[in-house]
Amino acid sequence: KAGVTQTPRYLIKTRGQQVTLSCSPISGHRSVSWYQQTPGQGLQFLFEYFSETQRNKGNFPGRFSGRQFSNSRSEMNVSTLELGDSALYLCASSQGLVQETQYFGPGTRLLVL
Amino acid sequence: QQQVKQSPQSLIVQKGGISIINCAYENTAFDYFPWYQQFPGKGPALLIAIRPDVSEKKEGRFTISFNKSAKQFSLHIMDSQPGDSATYFCAANLMDSSYKLIFGSGTRLLVRP
Repeated sequence: KAGVTQTPRYLIKTRGQQVTLSCSPISGHRSVSWYQQTPGQGLQFLFEYFSETQRNKGNFPGRFSGRQFSNSRSEMNVSTLELGDSALYLCASSQGLVQETQYFGPGTRLLVL
Repeated sequence: QQQVKQSPQSLIVQKGGISIINCAYENTAFDYFPWYQQFPGKGPALLIAIRPDVSEKKEGRFTISFNKSAKQFSLHIMDSQPGDSATYFCAANLMDSSYKLIFGSGTRLLVRP
């Protein structure tokens, strides 16, 4: 089985722009979660989608949004980028229950200039 | 109340030694505690996880010890190897819920040959 794939792997944007990141979960997985990883704040939960519905949400401003498609692929969008949004954005997939293994992708590294 | 505090920030161990990483949590509702291992350029990978109804869980060289009354849990890596050099994260979640992993700040482990 192929692992979790994220595209693009690297991205450079300027302040004020918007960005869309994509995540393809492992085949058969219906849950997709997004995390932001920075040296200062560590790993922080953004949101989780299950069967196209947002099941949980972290404490991020409304500029951060996401969605999940019927094939379980997910996208996250960040509008009006700020310098502090520079981070590694990680996507993780699982079949859907918390006690099941959540598999992380390699991440998309976003640099905001 | 949502915090998971992890220590130490970094750890150097000789090959064959025992690596010990500690975490403490505040929210007594948490009931699922996974540990993740992350190598540079990769996403985190699940190592081992525990629920608070057991005090210890062992998988190979990795052991989680859990102290429910103290709200603390720790990862022990026995016979540490240079290949174990990575960043380790503890985390917490609610089992009967969707994913919203609260991560510790991470411990950078270096195992010297």
